Amino acid sequence: QKEVEQDPGPLSVPEGAIVSLNCTYSNSAFQYFMWYRQYSRKGPELLMYTYSSGNKEDGRFTAQVDKSSKYISLFIRDSQPSDSATYLCGGGGNKLTFGTGTQLKVEL
Amino acid sequence: DAGVTQSPTHLIKTRGQQVTLRCSPKSGHDTVSWYQQALGQGPQFIFQYYEEEERQRGNFPDRFSGHQFPNYSSELNVNALLLGDSALYLCASSLGQGTHEQYFGPGTRLTVT
Repeated sequence: QKEVEQDPGPLSVPEGAIVSLNCTYSNSAFQYFMWYRQYSRKGPELLMYTYSSGNKEDGRFTAQVDKSSKYISLFIRDSQPSDSATYLCGGGGNKLTFGTGTQLKVEL
Repeated sequence: DAGVTQSPTHLIKTRGQQVTLRCSPKSGHDTVSWYQQALGQGPQFIFQYYEEEERQRGNFPDRFSGHQFPNYSSELNVNALLLGDSALYLCASSLGQGTHEQYFGPGTRLTVT
């Protein structure tokens, strides 16, 4: 079993939709949780970073962590074509462990 | 404020050869981590350097080694290259030992033929 599980997609939504991206994890030692956005053939870009259960909001993005169920979510409001990318979730303690990434396409 | 930089951008090597990849961390950061990302996969942690020492290591063989210099820049060395080493190699920098907020560079795409 992988430490971080993520549906690879692809996920296709119309412009303006609310997007929900989800991950589950198995390592109870994870202290930090992150979401990164990665455009094709580029390095990952840090979107959200949290180390507690609950919600964290930044503009159109909301990260949600539920440590009791080991569930991580990212919500994107008013999605734009520029949001089309692969979204990586990760958990960290002594090292950062990523899921495989979910490919998102926002269509006009 | 310069972000994380990596060189070279692309590299083609032959099986059995050795390769050195370089990374300069984001200004103010003192910790460098290296990751390998195969096509269609998430980044896999190789190792982390802090205060010029390897502090954490992932599940990679000893063919993968590294170094951190006094100016916090870092090198990743891979010996006896295998076809399976073909991947995007990412460097991430952060402040302080451990995971923390890591900022990635653009990566070096290594192709082994």
